[in-house]
Amino acid sequence: DVKVTQSSRYLVKRTGEKVFLECVQDMDHENMFWYRQDPGLGLRLIYFSYDVKMKEKGDIPEGYSVSREKKERFSLILESASTNQTSMYLCASIPSQGGSYGYTFGSGTRLTVV
Amino acid sequence: AQTVTQSQPEMSVQEAETVTLSCTYDTSESDYYLFWYKQPPSRQMILVIRQEAYKQQNATENRFSVNFQKAAKSFSLKISDSQLGDAAMYFCAYRGLRQGGSEKLVFGKGTKLTVNP
Repeated sequence: DVKVTQSSRYLVKRTGEKVFLECVQDMDHENMFWYRQDPGLGLRLIYFSYDVKMKEKGDIPEGYSVSREKKERFSLILESASTNQTSMYLCASIPSQGGSYGYTFGSGTRLTVV
Repeated sequence: AQTVTQSQPEMSVQEAETVTLSCTYDTSESDYYLFWYKQPPSRQMILVIRQEAYKQQNATENRFSVNFQKAAKSFSLKISDSQLGDAAMYFCAYRGLRQGGSEKLVFGKGTKLTVNP
């Protein structure tokens, strides 16, 4: 069964910590995405990557960075975590031909910054 | 920029009844894709149904169907014979076309569906 795996289901971090959220997919997809989900705001795109070492900013990139050193892995980095980054983070992937393919999502990481 | 609007933050339906969730979108493109995703309490996002804009026929997947009105930029989801397992957040999403790659998905804010026994 094809899969997108997020390394942590729940995380609690302190303000100012550097936080890494990891996402791995086993479908050989070129495109990977990080979304943030907040109640009443839906899903908002933070960053995406369409190839190894390539990245593009989404709608809310401030306070985040990403790394994609290998095709299967896409990491989201909070350089200095703040309480307003407490949220659910969802990773997703899709092949480059896109088309009517839907995203395959991970099961999410609920991050709490205290 | 494309936007997706779900005007119903919450909806409820009796088990075995039919419910329709609304979605409108704004775009200047002529070719694009539309999706409905379901997110149950487990948090796993599940693709429910998809629609290609160039197809006039409305998509159907078992108890789920859409009413796609391209001119009105409307894409509603109908759930027939509602089941307790249909209770979830439902997100409408839009994706445009981009030469040589996949465009990002733009999501609505979601509709929370409650199914009453």
